[in-house]
Amino acid sequence: EPEVTQTPSHQVTQMGQEVILRCVPISNHLYFYWYRQILGQKVEFLVSFYNNEISEKSEIFDDQFSVERPDGSNFTLKIRSTKLEDSAMYFCASRPGGKTEAFFGQGTRLTVV
Amino acid sequence: AQKVTQAQTEISVVEKEDVTLDCVYETRDTTYYLFWYKQPPSGELVFLIRRNSFDEQNEISGRYSWNFQKSTSSFNFTITASQVVDSAVYFCALSWNSGNTPLVFGKGTRLSVIA
Repeated sequence: EPEVTQTPSHQVTQMGQEVILRCVPISNHLYFYWYRQILGQKVEFLVSFYNNEISEKSEIFDDQFSVERPDGSNFTLKIRSTKLEDSAMYFCASRPGGKTEAFFGQGTRLTVV
Repeated sequence: AQKVTQAQTEISVVEKEDVTLDCVYETRDTTYYLFWYKQPPSGELVFLIRRNSFDEQNEISGRYSWNFQKSTSSFNFTITASQVVDSAVYFCALSWNSGNTPLVFGKGTRLSVIA
């Protein structure tokens, strides 16, 4: 069964460093998302991407965040200068056109030290 | 504003007991979708069910059942004869505008099933 794949599963980075989280959505899905979950808290929406552009973003998704779909298969989330409070599990999700359920990857746990 | 409330933070049951997880939602939209996701200890989010606002029929899938009541804005989830493998955090989520918005999640309910 097709699935959303995220790499790495765990990343440790120093405060101020740039990180790139990678996702391979399910092929032929059209909508792509990043969510994050701070430890023990609820899952929060960051950004949605459709037709090669951002379609919606939350107030969490400030200028230090960016997304790209560089080659038609990968979908990346970049954090330019990480802060301690960026430590969280980051989930990628994708959704096919005409459907409402999104399928999530297994997550990347980002730890900023 | 759109909101999902899961008032139960943690529930602990003994194996084979039935358990109901509550979900109350708020939206002004008339066409919306409700979801349940399971997050096992390994951390991934597993899609369980979707229900649209026009379909109030209850659904049963094995030991799982869902009760959608628009009158009380609730979408509750019942696990019958719980098993240890059901131990997880369960999230209720909402999407409106015919399902074209990102998901808004509740805070989740941590279910512990004790052998």
